[in-house]
Amino acid sequence: DQQVKQNSPSLSVQEGRISILNCDYTNSMFDYFLWYKKYPAEGPTFLISISSIKDKNEDGRFTVFLNKSAKHLSLHIVPSQPGDSAVYFCAASGAGNNRKLIWGLGTSLAVNP
Amino acid sequence: KAGVTQTPRYLIKTRGQQVTLSCSPISGHRSVSWYQQTPGQGLQFLFEYFSETQRNKGNFPGRFSGRQFSNSRSEMNVSTLELGDSALYLCASSLDWRAATTYEQYFGPGTRLTVT
Repeated sequence: DQQVKQNSPSLSVQEGRISILNCDYTNSMFDYFLWYKKYPAEGPTFLISISSIKDKNEDGRFTVFLNKSAKHLSLHIVPSQPGDSAVYFCAASGAGNNRKLIWGLGTSLAVNP
Repeated sequence: KAGVTQTPRYLIKTRGQQVTLSCSPISGHRSVSWYQQTPGQGLQFLFEYFSETQRNKGNFPGRFSGRQFSNSRSEMNVSTLELGDSALYLCASSLDWRAATTYEQYFGPGTRLTVT
């Protein structure tokens, strides 16, 4: 049973446009959410995170939005660049000792020049 | 600062054998987590170590075990290998498991294990 779901296995956007990657979760006890990016033959790289007490966190071209009532978060990349082409993973964690990360299956983003 | 290193990068074993994978965290990081990545299941959490103690464990059988040494280096062992153990095994390090920032883990490149 996937507690963290990324329903789009792949996404293709044009360079300069906005990329929106979505993630849904089922466990209301999750209180911290993260996005990681992964290139082939490399381990995932931390991108951006958001605590459940916030609904938005921004870091340069990357913004994560959290809608707790809908148990949904999204990653916006504006403007998208060819170097952003990678697999993006959404991960969630509970509080305290239950902080092991639960991961989505990833969305492969292709940014076309 | 050097990143997380994992050895070996690639490994081929046969069913029934055992394997040991190694992970050296970023200098100063004391928490090490292990993950299994397969195409259909994504990243699955195996276990986490801090100060040589296992702090968290995922839902894997007892054939999967790990340990952490006093210098924070970690090893994971898989005994009696099965074909389904073929996967990319990732190690991640973070500063301290108790701080919120430890959710931000730094990953190594992984060890690609193939069981034939």
